Amino acid sequence: SQQGEEDPQALSIQEGENATMNCSYKTSINNLQWYRQNSGRGLVHLILIRSNEREKHSGRLRVTLDTSKKSSSLLITASRAADTASYFCVLGGSRLTFGEGTQLTVNP
Amino acid sequence: EPEVTQTPSHQVTQMGQEVILRCVPISNHLYFYWYRQILGQKVEFLVSFYNNEISEKSEIFDDQFSVERPDGSNFTLKIRSTKLEDSAMYFCASRSDLPEETQYFGPGTRLLVL
Repeated sequence: SQQGEEDPQALSIQEGENATMNCSYKTSINNLQWYRQNSGRGLVHLILIRSNEREKHSGRLRVTLDTSKKSSSLLITASRAADTASYFCVLGGSRLTFGEGTQLTVNP
Repeated sequence: EPEVTQTPSHQVTQMGQEVILRCVPISNHLYFYWYRQILGQKVEFLVSFYNNEISEKSEIFDDQFSVERPDGSNFTLKIRSTKLEDSAMYFCASRSDLPEETQYFGPGTRLLVL
């Protein structure tokens, strides 16, 4: 199965700062998705970027995709305490495979 | 906005008992999934379901597990004889037909087996 690997494992920032999380993968993809999970609760879909797209925005989120480097990044601008969560990159497919994620802590 | 819902939110059961976890997927979705997350571990795929049959299952999904879509709205996961190691958060997800590929997750059912 296909799995993305998030980096860093943990990130701690102050409210108002930007947070950047990275994802690397090994296989070819049709799309890549980012999900958020707050402390063992439900998984919230954030954004999907297709293999023919290089950048996508949704509110304070910006996702990039570089298929030549097999990498993606998620940027959260002007972070808030409520953004504290684990973030996962998931490669497209029927059977989603989740990695360890990046644990983001936004300090008030 | 339509959501996937799950009941109950928490369930405590004795080892060896049967449990049924219920999910109501988003109404026009066609693909249904169960995942689980043992405390402190990764989210793991269990099974996918389409057109009233299992389309894929993981090695975790053994004979103790079964899924069913008993009517037009519910999707259930049954564990026949629970074990201590079945204690986990169970997530249901659903997806509409292609080209939409996003799976939408429910809030989960926390199962504790004593």
